[in-house]
Amino acid sequence: AQKVTQAQTEISVVEKEDVTLDCVYETRDTTYYLFWYKQPPSGELVFLIRRNSFDEQNEISGRYSWNFQKSTSSFNFTITASQVVDSAVYFCALSENAGNNRKLIWGLGTSLGVNP
Amino acid sequence: DAGVTQSPTHLIKTRGQQVTLRCSPISGHKSVSWYQQVLGQGPQFIFQYYEKEERGRGNFPDRFSARQFPNYSSELNVNALLLGDSALYLCASSLRGFVGLGETQYFGPGTRLLVL
Repeated sequence: AQKVTQAQTEISVVEKEDVTLDCVYETRDTTYYLFWYKQPPSGELVFLIRRNSFDEQNEISGRYSWNFQKSTSSFNFTITASQVVDSAVYFCALSENAGNNRKLIWGLGTSLGVNP
Repeated sequence: DAGVTQSPTHLIKTRGQQVTLRCSPISGHKSVSWYQQVLGQGPQFIFQYYEKEERGRGNFPDRFSARQFPNYSSELNVNALLLGDSALYLCASSLRGFVGLGETQYFGPGTRLLVL
């Protein structure tokens, strides 16, 4: 069965520190998609990145970077030089490749607090 | 372009009452999904609609119902409210709802429902 595990419930760092949020997934399919979303205190889920299972290249977007490793079923997210505005709950989500699959499977989220 | 909009932002109801939540998708998107998120959890899938037809349903009781209108906006109805229905209700918009094929869902700010 599909499953997403975010083992870190809460992380607290000081501004300018680097922080990595872990995501481990389980799936039986060979084709699937992984997502990261950010949920600030306002509640809105903000899309950050989508990665398909055939693309193992790491990706960098500004201070954000993602490390996808199929061998360990992990899709980790690193924030470099963290800022107070990065404080939020971050969710990792999984979708298997199926035309009739209509939903994402979500982890429980990691609450990141960045202190000044 | 406007993002996904939801109304109302907050709602307080008592047990046994009925509630209607509304969502307008991103312009050009024809699919709307509804998720329930209780505190400390990831979102749980309730429904997906595409072109006014229900395309997917999560493990929720029949007290939950939804519909989609010709302009692609959507309503979620919950009857006979229970205390456990207190949650953040999120609406997600996507082009055609093919989550299993990697289509990205964009979320609205949510409606916070409190049942007393």
